[in-house]
Amino acid sequence: AQSVAQPEDQVNVAEGNPLTVKCTYSVSGNPYLFWYVQYPNRGLQFLLKYITGDNLVKGSYGFEAEFNKSQTSFHLKKPSALVSDSALYFCAVRGGFQKLVFGTGTRLLVSP
Amino acid sequence: DAGVIQSPRHEVTEMGQEVTLRCKPISGHDYLFWYRQTMMRGLELLIYFNNNVPIDDSGMPEDRFSAKMPNASFSTLKIQPSEPRDSAVYFCASSPDWASGNTIYFGEGSWLTVV
Repeated sequence: AQSVAQPEDQVNVAEGNPLTVKCTYSVSGNPYLFWYVQYPNRGLQFLLKYITGDNLVKGSYGFEAEFNKSQTSFHLKKPSALVSDSALYFCAVRGGFQKLVFGTGTRLLVSP
Repeated sequence: DAGVIQSPRHEVTEMGQEVTLRCKPISGHDYLFWYRQTMMRGLELLIYFNNNVPIDDSGMPEDRFSAKMPNASFSTLKIQPSEPRDSAVYFCASSPDWASGNTIYFGEGSWLTVV
């Protein structure tokens, strides 16, 4: 069975500082990995994905994520956080033709 | 493109009433998904369609829930009769060639409250 874990319910960071939102996964075969962001009372917005190729993936709004096969991780990063980045972030994984499974979400709070 | 369009955005209904949620996927997308989001269970896949055909409905909680996709541009999720525990946000999403790893794009959701 495939699964994804987001070990932190909330991440706090000061504006201008780098941020990391952690994600680890378990899947049979090669994974498809995704990050989504959800603002209050909105749907999920796609940020970036890893399918194959370069382990460092760049996405929307200056976010990037690094695929680490040995550690089965796909952490989301941004060099300099903005207050407007405050939202709920979801990591998701699927293996092959399996369903896309979402993590429980990590709330990012960026303070001014 | 207008994105995935869902209606209604908010619905408050009484227990026992029928609820119908509607979705228009992004044009050209051949996969359509219905998800439910709750605090307790997070995001759950209820059912998905490929070319209007239901592929996997194993996430549908019980017989009170049904979903249809009569054509490529419209889908419904129906709850009959509704119960308070059905209160959640229901998302419709679509994807082009999802089997090849393409992205799933979500609508803004339908906020359902059953009282």
